[in-house]
This record gives sequence, structure tokens and C-alpha cells, in this order.
Amino acid sequence: EVQLVESGGGLVQPGGSLRLSCAASGFTFSSYWMHWVRQAPGQGLVWVSRIKSDGTSTNYADSVKGRFTISRDNAENTLYLQMNSLRAEDTAVYYCARSDYSGNSYFDCWGQGTLVTVSS
Amino acid sequence: DVQMTQSPSTLSAYVGDRVTITCRASQSINSWLAWYQQKPGKAPRLLIYKASSLGSGVPSRFSGSGSGTEFTLTISSLQPDDFATYYCQHYNSYPLTFGPGTKVHVK
Repeated sequence: EVQLVESGGGLVQPGGSLRLSCAASGFTFSSYWMHWVRQAPGQGLVWVSRIKSDGTSTNYADSVKGRFTISRDNAENTLYLQMNSLRAEDTAVYYCARSDYSGNSYFDCWGQGTLVTVSS
Repeated sequence: DVQMTQSPSTLSAYVGDRVTITCRASQSINSWLAWYQQKPGKAPRLLIYKASSLGSGVPSRFSGSGSGTEFTLTISSLQPDDFATYYCQHYNSYPLTFGPGTKVHVK
């Protein structure tokens, strides 16, 4: 069974840092591009970042560029999102999601999400 | 950046109704469009990709059409399990963007 399980969310103060993890199983993780998508409470979906299957290429939304870093460990089947200089507006459920096998960036598999709350 | 809009923002319908949701892109995205269903407290679920291709395990009452800038998601006969929020998403270029969502609720 294809599965993505996020962890690492929690309460952090403005200006703080947090690292999210996404453990993948049930598929060949190293063959797929991966993404982070977030959803603020009661709001819509917002794409955050993408990393190529071999980790050599990344993209970011303007709202997180320079503050967030996406990475992956294909040996450990894990995706990461390092979040620095956090702001109140970063408060959201963060989902990891998988692109299709050809790298087309729609999301055919999602994790259950992990909540990040930025507040003093 | 490509901006996505959806209409209507909310929709009231009966079980058995035919339901259509429209998604528009601010510029041509060819057929690089996906649709998702999301229920409260749950992750989104892929319904349609490449504008009209049905996702794995998705019931055939869901269909998608369109290309360029205008797209539709149709549910041919609304079922109790279909009351949810629906989002479109383009993947023509980065940044990827989603529509604001259409909430379908019981009339």
C-alpha cells in the first residue's frame, strides 16, 4: 500500500524553526518527484515546494523562498521541509504529496498532514 | 503566475442531481489540470488529471472536460459520499496554483 506519513509539526514561536518529515512506503520513493502543500485553517490549498526524484532540482512558492528548504533522503525514503524564520501566516496543515511517475506535478498520493502553529 | 478561479464557490444540491463546477485559468494551461475532492479533516483525493483522465479508483460518475483556460468537473448523479469541497489545480508551470474551492452541500 502506498503511504505517506508526515511528522514534526507543532507549536513554534515567530522567528523560530521547525523541520517536517514525510516517510514514504509502498512505492519506489527515489523514482518520484515530491511536493509540500499547505492549508491554513479554514482556507484553501497552497503549493509550497517541489523536489525532483534525485534531489537535484527544487522549486518554491515566493511566500517561502529563502526561508524554507526542501530535501530528501532516498536511502531512507524520507522527504523533509526545513522551515526557518517562521511567521504567523505559515500556520497551516502541511501535506506531503507525490507527483505522478512521469513527473507531472499533479498529486496522486497525499499524506494525512501535520499541523504547524506559529504563535507566541 | 497562473491564477485559478472556480465557480460557484458554494453549491446546494440533492442526491441524484447532476452537478457541474467550472474552473478558469488566467492564461492557457493546455490540458494540465487536475481536480481534487476534500472532506473536512482529511487530505485531498485526486479525482481527475490531464483535464479529463479519471484517477485510480475514482467512480465513473466523475468526469472532467476542457482545455486552454476553461474546464469543468461534472458529477453525473450526486451521491451522499460526494458532499465535499472540490479544488482545481494547474500544473502547466511553476508556481503550481489551486482554485479557491467549491463546497458542495446538501440542499
